[in-house]
Amino acid sequence: DAGVTQSPTHLIKTRGQHVTLRCSPISGHKSVSWYQQVLGQGPQFIFQYYEKEERGRGNFPDRFSARQFPNYSSELNVNALLLGDSALYLCASSVILAGSYNEQFFGPGTRLTVL
Amino acid sequence: KQEVTQIPAALSVPEGENLVLNCSFTDSAIYNLQWFRQDPGKGLTSLLLIQSSQREQTSGRLNASLDKSSGRSTLYIAASQPGDSATYLCAVRPAAGNKLTFGGGTRVLVKP
Repeated sequence: DAGVTQSPTHLIKTRGQHVTLRCSPISGHKSVSWYQQVLGQGPQFIFQYYEKEERGRGNFPDRFSARQFPNYSSELNVNALLLGDSALYLCASSVILAGSYNEQFFGPGTRLTVL
Repeated sequence: KQEVTQIPAALSVPEGENLVLNCSFTDSAIYNLQWFRQDPGKGLTSLLLIQSSQREQTSGRLNASLDKSSGRSTLYIAASQPGDSATYLCAVRPAAGNKLTFGGGTRVLVKP
């Protein structure tokens, strides 16, 4: 069974541009979360979506937005890119059992470089 | 606000030595704690998940303990191998919600 997949693998943008990152969760997983990992640090929570609704938001500016589609895949959008947005963007999916979220499984990430 | 700390930030050991990695968190109201491995430039691989009601979990050479009241978890890796070289991250999940709060990681180098 396929794990969490993300596309693209790498991306280079210039300041001020817009970027869209994509994530497909493990089959049967309805919860998708996004994290930003700056080099040398632990990942920071950006968003969580469940059943196409936003269920959690981290401390990121409004330039960051996301959505989840009927097939539970998700997109992360970042507008007006800054140099500081350069990072590894990770997507994680999890299944809901007995009304509770369970173990999160991470994708390989998208490496974004902003020049 | 939950804060997770991992000390040391880096560790170098000779092959065969046991590894002890520490993780501390400030808010004991957690649902579970996960340990992850990350190879350079790659995603996260889940190693062990400990529910808040558990004291430890084991998988092969890996053993993780959890002391929720003191806000600490320890990951033990027995008989380290060069292939264990990676960054190890711990993350806690709160009692409500699905947000993981990560520590900064411990970068491990196992020398042959």
